[in-house]
Amino acid sequence: DGGITQSPKYLFRKEGQNVTLSCEQNLNHDAMYWYRQDPGQGLRLIYYSQIVNDFQKGDIAEGYSVSREKKESFPLTVTSAQKNPTAFYLCASSLGQTYSNQPQHFGDGTRLSIL
Amino acid sequence: GQSLEQPSEVTAVEGAIVQINCTYQTSGFYGLSWYQQHDGGAPTFLSYNALDGLEETGRFSSFLSRSDSYGYLLLQELQMKDSASYFCAVLGGYSTLTFGKGTMLLVSP
Repeated sequence: DGGITQSPKYLFRKEGQNVTLSCEQNLNHDAMYWYRQDPGQGLRLIYYSQIVNDFQKGDIAEGYSVSREKKESFPLTVTSAQKNPTAFYLCASSLGQTYSNQPQHFGDGTRLSIL
Repeated sequence: GQSLEQPSEVTAVEGAIVQINCTYQTSGFYGLSWYQQHDGGAPTFLSYNALDGLEETGRFSSFLSRSDSYGYLLLQELQMKDSASYFCAVLGGYSTLTFGKGTMLLVSP
């Protein structure tokens, strides 16, 4: 079955620590996205990538970093510079700009908490 | 920038019809999407409108008026499993989505 896999499901971060959230897709999608969701809120875009080895900042990129070395993978690092990292993180993918009317497909998310 | 407004909560009974409205202000607009999210789960795509008018998919329909910067999601024959949060989202440049804060729909027996 094609889909998006996020891991881990739950993650705890200590003060001053960087943590990396994994996102893998086997849908052969060009575009991938990272969102942050706070309780009772909508999804806010952190970073997105339209193609391998290229990515762009979204609306709330400060304190986060990404890489896109492979088409299938788009890991997100939450750095110690992100002072309020507790949130639900969602990864998504889509066919990309050429097929912009095609939906984004989401993973099951990672819940990150501060210890 | 982009901003979207939708009601925070809507309640209805099984079998009823409910409409969730969404108004938006955007600097770039290619279309309006709707997603459903059950508590703690992954959002799933429901519908997309690029042009004015009504799109129907089973029990769900979505409407768009570009001139009014307005859209709505219509859910018919409500079922208990429809209790979830519903998000409108504007499709902007580079196929990015800007989401509203979501409407929690509570369906009661």
